[in-house]
Order: sequence, then C-alpha cells, then structure tokens
Amino acid sequence: AQSVTQPDIHITVSEGASLELRCNYSYGATPYLFWYVQSPGQGLQLLLKYFSGDTLVQGIKGFEAEFKRSQSSFNLRKPSVHWSDAAEYFCAVVPFGGGGNKLTFGTGTQLKVEL
Amino acid sequence: KAGVTQTPRYLIKTRGQQVTLSCSPISGHRSVSWYQQTPGQGLQFLFEYFSETQRNKGNFPGRFSGRQFSNSRSEMNVSTLELGDSALYLCASNNRGSNTEAFFGQGTRLTVV
Repeated sequence: AQSVTQPDIHITVSEGASLELRCNYSYGATPYLFWYVQSPGQGLQLLLKYFSGDTLVQGIKGFEAEFKRSQSSFNLRKPSVHWSDAAEYFCAVVPFGGGGNKLTFGTGTQLKVEL
Repeated sequence: KAGVTQTPRYLIKTRGQQVTLSCSPISGHRSVSWYQQTPGQGLQFLFEYFSETQRNKGNFPGRFSGRQFSNSRSEMNVSTLELGDSALYLCASNNRGSNTEAFFGQGTRLTVV
C-alpha cells in the first residue's frame, strides 16, 4: 500500500539552530512530493513542492527540501529556526502525474522552538 | 487574489443531526477536495469534485457526501452525526492536472456533542 512516514512526532530545537524533518514514502513510482505547515487552528500552507528536476528545492520562509530517490525520502531543512516556525509540519504525496487533488499525508511532526 | 474560503469556521451540533459545510475555491480553480483532520487519524481524504462531478472518493461511510456547483463552490454534508465526526474539515482547491499543488482553506471546526 502507498504510504508516507514521518518518523518524528515531536521535535524541539533552540532558536537559531538548524532543523531537519524527515519524510519517507512508499510508492510504486516516484510520486510528487509536498511539505505543508499548519499553525494551531489554521489550515495548511504549502512550503514547497517537488515534481521533477533539481532534487534540492527551495520554498518559502527559508525552507528547503532534498529529494533522494535511493532512500525514498524528502526531508525538510532550515539552517536557522525562528520562534515563529513553531507549528506542525506535514509531508504529502500524490502519484506521479497526478495533481494536488488527492493528497496522502504523513502523520505530521510537531515542532517546538525553545527561546 | 482571494484564497480558499470555508464557512462557517466553527460549528457545534448534536448527535443525530446533519451538517453542511461550504467551500469557495480560489477564482479559476475548478477542483475542490475535502479532508478530515482528527488527532487520532490525522489528515484523511474525503472526496474530490471537478466540473460538478465526484472524481475521487476516500474511505468514508455514505453519511459523508458532497456536491459542487457550476461556479465551482462546493458543499459537504454529514448526516446522522456521530461523536467521532468531530474534526477539522479542510477544503483545498487547485487547477486539476499534473504538476499542480493544492491550496487549503482555514477549515471548519465541527464539534459533535
């Protein structure tokens, strides 16, 4: 079955420290990959997306993600975390060739930022 | 350009009642998808509508239904509400096709008592 795994349920980092959130997928072919962020009680905001091409993608708010086919991973990174980055982060996929209209989400990683 | 608009933002209903949630997509977007978010099950796909037709459906009982109007606005309905239907219901819109991303609304928080 197709699935998305985010191994870390909670992560705590100090403000200014670097961040990496992990995402692994299990699909027959390389899917399209997304990272979304959700603040409490809010909807989802798209951080970045990968369809094809350059495996290092840049997103909003200083985030980047690297697609590694050999590891079936799409990890999210940020060099220096700000207190306002505290939120829940979701990795999501759609099958290759599909649009963003039937997303499969990971279980999310709750990020806490210590001042 | 206005984003995805969901109304109402909050709802409290009693078990056994029915509820209708509304979603207005981004102008020009013709695909609307609905998701249920709960602490236990996470984010789960409910269904997608495009050109007033349901195109995809998730694994939810028939009590969950939806429709789409000619202006692409969508509604979802839940009948015979159960306590377990308490959730954040999210709507997303996009230009249906490959290489497209979904844009989400703020959600409707439904509480069933």
